[in-house]
Amino acid sequence: NAGVMQNPRHLVRRRGQEARLRCSPMKGHSHVYWYRQLPEEGLKFMVYLQKENIIDESGMPKERFSAEFPKEGPSILRIQQVVRGDSAAYFCASSPTRGYYGYTFGSGTRLTVV
Amino acid sequence: KQEVTQIPAALSVPEGENLVLNCSFTDSAIYNLQWFRQDPGKGLTSLLLIQSSQREQTSGRLNASLDKSSGRSTLYIAASQPGDSATYLCAVRSSGNTPLVFGKGTRLSVIA
Repeated sequence: NAGVMQNPRHLVRRRGQEARLRCSPMKGHSHVYWYRQLPEEGLKFMVYLQKENIIDESGMPKERFSAEFPKEGPSILRIQQVVRGDSAAYFCASSPTRGYYGYTFGSGTRLTVV
Repeated sequence: KQEVTQIPAALSVPEGENLVLNCSFTDSAIYNLQWFRQDPGKGLTSLLLIQSSQREQTSGRLNASLDKSSGRSTLYIAASQPGDSATYLCAVRSSGNTPLVFGKGTRLSVIA
């Protein structure tokens, strides 16, 4: 049973380009959470999704960031017109239910904006 | 708004020592609490999950306790080893519908 799969592991984008980060949850998990970790900062919640629904996006920046979790396929975190301040590690976690069993995290995508 | 604090921010101990990492949270009405380990440049590995109705959980040399009334959890590591060197993160969930809120972690170095 593969864990939470994130790709790519490393992503380099020039300022103004788009970044797409993918997350495939563990088999049987229908809840996906995205977190961002800035250098020397803790993990900050961004968005919580279930299949085809955004449940909580209170941590998402209002502009340039969007997330989806379609019926088929992985969850996607999309950052448009990236800026240097978007450089961070982006982690995805999944859980089988709303959280009783805790989260399982992926290895993250490290985004570098040059 | 739930806030999680971890003290100390960094800790260096000789191999073999027993140690305690501390986590405090501002809202004692929690759903569960989870301890993670993060190695440099890597993802998070779940160590222990404590439900709000539980007082402690154990896994091998690790023991985590929870005291909701005082808003505290401790992670006890027995007989530390160099391989335990990592950042340890505490995260709290206030309800089944809310996301985990993380502390900034304790960076542990175990010296051989």
